[in-house]
Amino acid sequence: GQNIDQPTEMTATEGAIVQINCTYQTSGFNGLFWYQQHAGEAPTFLSYNVLDGLEEKGRFSSFLSRSKGYSYLLLKELQMKDSASYLCAVLDSNYQLIWGAGTKLIIKP
Amino acid sequence: GAVVSQHPSWVICKSGTSVKIECRSLDFQATTMFWYRQFPKQSLMLMATSNEGSKATYEQGVEKDKFLINHASLTLSTLTVTSAHPEDSSFYICSARRGGEVGELFFGEGSRLTVL
Repeated sequence: GQNIDQPTEMTATEGAIVQINCTYQTSGFNGLFWYQQHAGEAPTFLSYNVLDGLEEKGRFSSFLSRSKGYSYLLLKELQMKDSASYLCAVLDSNYQLIWGAGTKLIIKP
Repeated sequence: GAVVSQHPSWVICKSGTSVKIECRSLDFQATTMFWYRQFPKQSLMLMATSNEGSKATYEQGVEKDKFLINHASLTLSTLTVTSAHPEDSSFYICSARRGGEVGELFFGEGSRLTVL
């Protein structure tokens, strides 16, 4: 079966750095997405990785290793507004999005 | 600005009534739209894939007669929850992909349905 694993919840301090990991086992791979979802709102796009390596976009970076079935989202200079759920999703060989359960990130002052 | 718009954002209805939710792509044509349901503290659950001009493809366990999907144009898909019951209360979200199968997936604002 297809499976996406990510931690349920993480806590970090304002101004610090946090890394949210995602491992996946899917039938085929056409890219991995990270989305941010604030409580009660729809998800918003953060990043898309299809090649190995690190993609940096401001305070957020996303890394992919296809051979290891692994990705992480790195958030730097954490702000209170970064408190949200972060969803990892993989596009499989049929171009269907397989979603992880999300990681709830709690930022403390 | 938003590229996928969903309406209404909030709806409260009585048990047994039907509710229609609209999803529009604002600046692109979407031959395919996706409908999700999300219960509190849970991940998105794909309900169905809406195909313009043809029948929707429903995920296993989703009742097609209860959740009616109509994708009448390239910019509009509707989800109708028929004979709603309290257990149908949830956050319903639509999405559409711009730019092909690997294009960015945009989400509507979501519709929170409460069935009394």
